[in-house]
Amino acid sequence: DARVTQTPRHKVTEMGQEVTMRCQPILGHNTVFWYRQTMMQGLELLAYFRNRAPLDDSGMPKDRFSAEMPDATLATLKIQPSEPRDSAVYFCASGLGSRDRGYEQYFGPGTRLTVT
Amino acid sequence: ELKVEQNPLFLSMQEGKNYTIYCNYSTTSDRLYWYRQDPGKSLESLFVLLSNGAVKQEGRLMASLDTKARLSTLHITAAVHDLSATYFCAVDPYAGGTSYGKLTFGQGTILTVHP
Repeated sequence: DARVTQTPRHKVTEMGQEVTMRCQPILGHNTVFWYRQTMMQGLELLAYFRNRAPLDDSGMPKDRFSAEMPDATLATLKIQPSEPRDSAVYFCASGLGSRDRGYEQYFGPGTRLTVT
Repeated sequence: ELKVEQNPLFLSMQEGKNYTIYCNYSTTSDRLYWYRQDPGKSLESLFVLLSNGAVKQEGRLMASLDTKARLSTLHITAAVHDLSATYFCAVDPYAGGTSYGKLTFGQGTILTVHP
């Protein structure tokens, strides 16, 4: 049963520290998405990649967030420096779609980040 | 900017009753997705709707898409407690090109089914 995996599942850190979240997409999927979910803002798209190339990162605060795909099995989301307002659940999703089949996304379990 | 609005945002239902969740969106699209999220959990794909008039059913849930009205509905039949969750619709805008699945999500509808 193929799944998206994310590490760590929980992270508590102090303001100003660097945070790195990792995602392993489903093998063979060529599109990877990073989302952030909060009670106030709901589910927001931060960035996404297709065939490891970044397509859109307009949802990310550029000065502190960065997203990369060093290889097809790993996507990373970094926050440096972290701030309390970054506290949220961060989801990674992957997909392998087409215009005809649609672009169904499969979500990982999420990383719950708390910045104190 | 694409806007996706769900209503109601909160839905308290009795077991055995029927109800519908509505998802309106603001721009042309013929691709809409429904997801379910249990408390503290991830999102699970329920339905993929890819054309005007598309209808999908799974158990007590049925989803449909009317692209002319820019409206999708998620109908719940004879609700049971296990259906309690948050339901999201998400729209993939299509403007002659392709967005590779860049979704805009609705706010979510929190459904509670009680005896």
